[in-house]
Order: sequence, then C-alpha cells, then structure tokens
Amino acid sequence: KAGVTQTPRYLIKTRGQQVTLSCSPISGHRSVSWYQQTPGQGLQFLFEYFSETQRNKGNFPGRFSGRQFSNSRSEMNVSTLELGDSALYLCASSLVGEENTEAFFGQGTRLTVV
Amino acid sequence: AQSVTQLGSHVSVSEGALVLLRCNYSSSVPPYLFWYVQYPNQGLQLLLKYTSAATLVKGINGFEAEFKKSETSFHLTKPSAHMSDAAEYFCAVRSNTGNQFYFGTGTSLTVIP
Repeated sequence: KAGVTQTPRYLIKTRGQQVTLSCSPISGHRSVSWYQQTPGQGLQFLFEYFSETQRNKGNFPGRFSGRQFSNSRSEMNVSTLELGDSALYLCASSLVGEENTEAFFGQGTRLTVV
Repeated sequence: AQSVTQLGSHVSVSEGALVLLRCNYSSSVPPYLFWYVQYPNQGLQLLLKYTSAATLVKGINGFEAEFKKSETSFHLTKPSAHMSDAAEYFCAVRSNTGNQFYFGTGTSLTVIP
C-alpha cells in the first residue's frame, strides 16, 4: 500500500507570494491533517479535513487555508507569504471510526520563503 | 485540554546503553498516546501506540513504552542503543474529538560510538 505522498518536496518562494501544497493520503484514509514544523515552535496543528469538510482548525491566521477533494486528496494554501512561514509542512492521513488510530505522515514539503 | 511534556530536549547515550526518553501527559480522560521518530528531512514514523489492552507496549526497532496512570507518564525505552537510533523522538496525544495530535517538543537522541 502506498504511503502518504506530498508534493513538492521542496519549494522556494518570495515574500508576498502564495503557495499550494498537495497531499495524497493512504488509500482508504478519509481524514487528512496538516502540521507546520519549525525549530522554534515545534509541530503545530494547522487543520484537519474529513469528507471534504474542515473538522478541526489550529491557531493560525486566515492566510493558511486548505481543502479536500472527493478522493480525499488535500491541498493547503498559504497566501501573502512571510519569512516566518518557512517551515516543514507535514501532511498526515488517518482512518476514521477506529479507536486509537494513528496518523501516517508524509515526508513533508520544505518551504523556504526569501 | 490535552498535552504532553517531554523532559530533556537532548539525550546522549553510548552505543549499547539503555535509552530512556521521558514523556508525561495531561488529560482528563484516558489518553490516546503515541511515540513517533523523525529522521533528518523526513516525516514522522510511528514507533508505538498505547492501547488500553496493555500498559507495556512494544514497538518497532526494539522500543517499548510503559503507560503509568499514577505518574501520568509514557516513557520510551530501549535496552541497547544502536547508532541507527540517532534521531528526533516525539511523544504525542491524540484528541478524543478528531484526529488532531498534540506533540511534545521532541527529544534529540545522540548515540555515541
């Protein structure tokens, strides 16, 4: 079974630009979550999507948004990029409805804002 | 609110020595607890997860963790460290209302030959 696939692996953007990151979950997983990882703040939850609906949201500004498609693939968008948005963005997929299900992570997208 | 605290941001052990990485949780309900490992420029890989079936949980690569409710702890151990164990380790608790995970700040493990 293929794992969680994130594209692209690396991105370099300029301040003020916008960026879209993509995540394909494990087949059969309908929950997709996004996390931001930085040396200073660690791993922070951005949002979770299930059945094309945002189910949970972390404490991030509105510049960070996401969506999920009918095939469970998800995209995350960051508008008006700031230097502080430089981070490793991780996508995770999970089953729903099973007790104590774990999250399966992709390899991440390394975003550098210059 | 649920959270986990990892004591020690850096741990160094000699090859062959015991590995002990500490994690304490805060939860008002029985927690869903996990340990993940991250290698440089990689995502997170599940080491093990706590299920209510057993307090001692065995994971991959020889790691195990013991759930102690009285101490609100879920420490990760490995009897004998290997060079390949050098990585960042994260303790996490999952929300009871969705698939949101709360991660600790991580412990960087160095294995000295």
